[in-house]
Amino acid sequence: VQLVESGGGVVPPGGSLRLSCAASGFTFDDYAINWVRQAPGRGLEFVSLISADGISAHYSDSVKGRFTISRDNSKNSLYLQMSGLRTEDTALYYCAKTGSYNSFDVWGQGTMVTVSS
Amino acid sequence: DVQMTQSPSSLSASVGDRVTITCRASQHISNYLNWYQQKPGQVPKLLIYGASTLQSGVPSRFSGSPSGTEFTLTISSLQPEDFATYYCQQTYSGPRTFGQGTRVEIK
Repeated sequence: VQLVESGGGVVPPGGSLRLSCAASGFTFDDYAINWVRQAPGRGLEFVSLISADGISAHYSDSVKGRFTISRDNSKNSLYLQMSGLRTEDTALYYCAKTGSYNSFDVWGQGTMVTVSS
Repeated sequence: DVQMTQSPSSLSASVGDRVTITCRASQHISNYLNWYQQKPGQVPKLLIYGASTLQSGVPSRFSGSPSGTEFTLTISSLQPEDFATYYCQQTYSGPRTFGQGTRVEIK
């Protein structure tokens, strides 16, 4: 079971970026998937989740209206489209698979997003 | 949204000590409470889900217990490899909020 994030980089304030998460080793379309971020030296912050069928999603208040989560079950892939980026969005972004009691039982290694002019 | 209040924010303990970390939810979350361990430079690791069920491979010195909206993580005898930051998380409803974290340091 593996999750691999990609797409991070340096972007100016107000810019956009699309993160991807490639899944393998499990039946991707059976599970909800999540995005979590961690700013340098800070704690874990939930960002977004999408249901197994891609129909429903949740967002944290801090990203609602700016970020959009999506998935392509035919490609075993999860995405996070980020727009209107702010310096406070600078963080390591992880994708995580949902397990029992909706816990996050498998995590990727993360992809770094830096918002800076 | 459910708010999670975790305490203490940090603690110092010695090898062999019993350590307790508490997390309080702002509303009913049933037993949808999970605990994670994160060591510096590493990915978070699931320790306990459903308030009290140990994830596969997690040592039995870790335990979790619920009491209404208050949840406790206990390490019965702290080992050198347990020095890390611990987070609680609710996954009952809405955004899956984390607690602020508890850093467990060597005394």
